[in-house]
Formats: sequence, C-alpha cells, structure tokens
Amino acid sequence: NAGVTQTPKFRILKIGQSMTLQCTQDMNHNYMYWYRQDPGMGLKLIYYSVGAGITDKGEVPNGYNVSRSTTEDFPLRLELAAPSQTSVYFCASRRDSGGNGELFFGEGSRLTVL
Amino acid sequence: KNQVEQSPQSLIILEGKNCTLQCNYTVSPFSNLRWYKQDTGRGPVSLTIMTFSENTKSNGRYTATLDADTKQSSLHITASQLSDSASYICVVSAQSGANNLFFGTGTRLTVIP
Repeated sequence: NAGVTQTPKFRILKIGQSMTLQCTQDMNHNYMYWYRQDPGMGLKLIYYSVGAGITDKGEVPNGYNVSRSTTEDFPLRLELAAPSQTSVYFCASRRDSGGNGELFFGEGSRLTVL
Repeated sequence: KNQVEQSPQSLIILEGKNCTLQCNYTVSPFSNLRWYKQDTGRGPVSLTIMTFSENTKSNGRYTATLDADTKQSSLHITASQLSDSASYICVVSAQSGANNLFFGTGTRLTVIP
C-alpha cells in the first residue's frame, strides 16, 4: 500500500518557468489537499478537492492551479514560477471531513525557484 | 477566528529526559485534535487523536491530554530518544466542512545525547 505518492522530490526552476507537481493516492480517499511549508512556518493550504471534478481555493492559491480528473490524482500546476514559491509542497488525502478522518501526507516536493 | 497556537516554538532536551508540548486552540465547533510528528524531510504522520470526551490517551512514550473547557492540549514525551527529534504539529478539526482543519505552526524538538 503506497499511500500518497508525490513526484518529483526535488526540483529547481528558473523564474518564469512552469511545472506540475504530481500527487496520487491509492486509498480511494475523496478529499485531497495541497499545502506549502516554508521554513519555520506552519502548513498553509493552497487548494483542496472533495472529489473528482471538484476543487476549491485554500488560503494561498495565487500562482497555482489544480485539477482533479480522477479520485486518485491531484496535480498542482505552477505557472510563471517566482522566488516566493520556493517552498516544500505536501500533498495529503483523507477519506472525508467527518469523524476522525486522519490526514495522510506524501513525502513532500522541495521546490527552489532561482 | 479559528486559530491554533503551539508552544514552545523549539525545544532542546537531553536524551532520557521528559518534555511537554502545548497546544491552545480557539476552533469552534470543535470535533477533534490530532498530534502529528514530522521527521526532517518527511511528511507529517499522525501520533494520536483526541475527541471531545477524551482527557488522556497514550501511544507508547507519548501521552496526549485534552481539556475541552480551556481548549488546551498537551503532548508529553517520556524518556526521550534521539529518534524523537522532529517537529510536532497540532491540528484541530472543526465539526463540518472540507476545509475544516486548522494547523499550529509546530514545535521543533531536538534531543541531544
């Protein structure tokens, strides 16, 4: 059982370049999330999805886009990369928002924009 | 405003010593509170969950407490080990909504030999 898988683990981008961070989960979870974590800061929500075809903005969505065409996949697109997007990105999933739904995280993708 | 605050921001202790991490929250209506452990370079992993009716719960050397009246939780680590060096994140769930999770900024624990 792989859980939540993120790729790539590391990436260096030049200012203005674009890229997609991939996230896939094999737990048949409905809810998926993208967070960014800056040094010494907490996790901030970028985008989330409650199921295929449904996405919504989180706290810091500017400069990012997402799609959710399947239950398993939730890619995060960075358009026109900026130094402010240098961060560690975590994808997470959970079954739903009720009960004691545990968040399962990927291992993170470290992005540097130069 | 729903907020989660953790203290201290960082902590250094000697191996074998005990320590206590604090989490205060203003999330309402409250559903549950989770403590996550995040090793360096890894994603957070759940340690324990506290619901409204629970006061204390243990998971090995980790003991979490919850005071729902004062909206405070603590994570006590007994007989610390080098492998306990990590960030500990408090996450509080509100009762409804997909975006119902509120994160603390974490406590960075370093255990030294």
